Amino acid sequence: GENVEQHPSTLSVQEGDSAVIKCTYSDSASNYFPWYKQELGKGPQLIIDIRSNVGEKKDQRIAVTLNKTAKHFSLHITETQPEDSAVYFCAATPFTGGGNKLTFGTGTQLKVEL
Amino acid sequence: DAGITQSPRHKVTETGTPVTLRCHQTENHRYMYWYRQDPGHGLRLIHYSYGVKDTDKGEVSDGYSVSRSKTEDFLLTLESATSSQTSVYFCAIKAGQGKETQYFGPGTRLLVL
Repeated sequence: GENVEQHPSTLSVQEGDSAVIKCTYSDSASNYFPWYKQELGKGPQLIIDIRSNVGEKKDQRIAVTLNKTAKHFSLHITETQPEDSAVYFCAATPFTGGGNKLTFGTGTQLKVEL
Repeated sequence: DAGITQSPRHKVTETGTPVTLRCHQTENHRYMYWYRQDPGHGLRLIHYSYGVKDTDKGEVSDGYSVSRSKTEDFLLTLESATSSQTSVYFCAIKAGQGKETQYFGPGTRLLVL
């Protein structure tokens, strides 16, 4: 089955700096890679996703890059703000059109300091 | 939370007792999932459903059963709760065939003493 590794487990940045979270996956059949943000006491919220036919996707301050050859993908947050502080999870799945089983990384606790 | 409600939101129970968690959705989504979240493990799939009375096992299904007798409800049952099942349980839905994205509910925090 799929195995997803996520690094770092904790990340502390100054407000305004950039943050990068990296994930690797093992199953070359995986073709869909979502990122979730989880605030304390809440469920994970999708913030961005990427499909394997695209190398990069950007949404305002958030971007995701995918390297299929190396089997890794990364989340980039620019101009970080205190409200970006949360736990971020990457996931991967070999989506074939029906039900898909997401395999998650272990999460990154991001702290944005003033 | 994508029209998903989970009940109860918090529960404390004793080892050996049965526990049922409910996931309810109002948008007629075909696919529903149960995950558990534990420190150091991220989220792990327990069971999922691809239609009424159609379910399948996930990565950590031992000790859990599920039922889906109608589209809007997906029940997760711990037949005899153990302390290792202390966790936060999340339900998720997928919008439909051809759509990859899963959306999560608010979670149920379960403590087994």
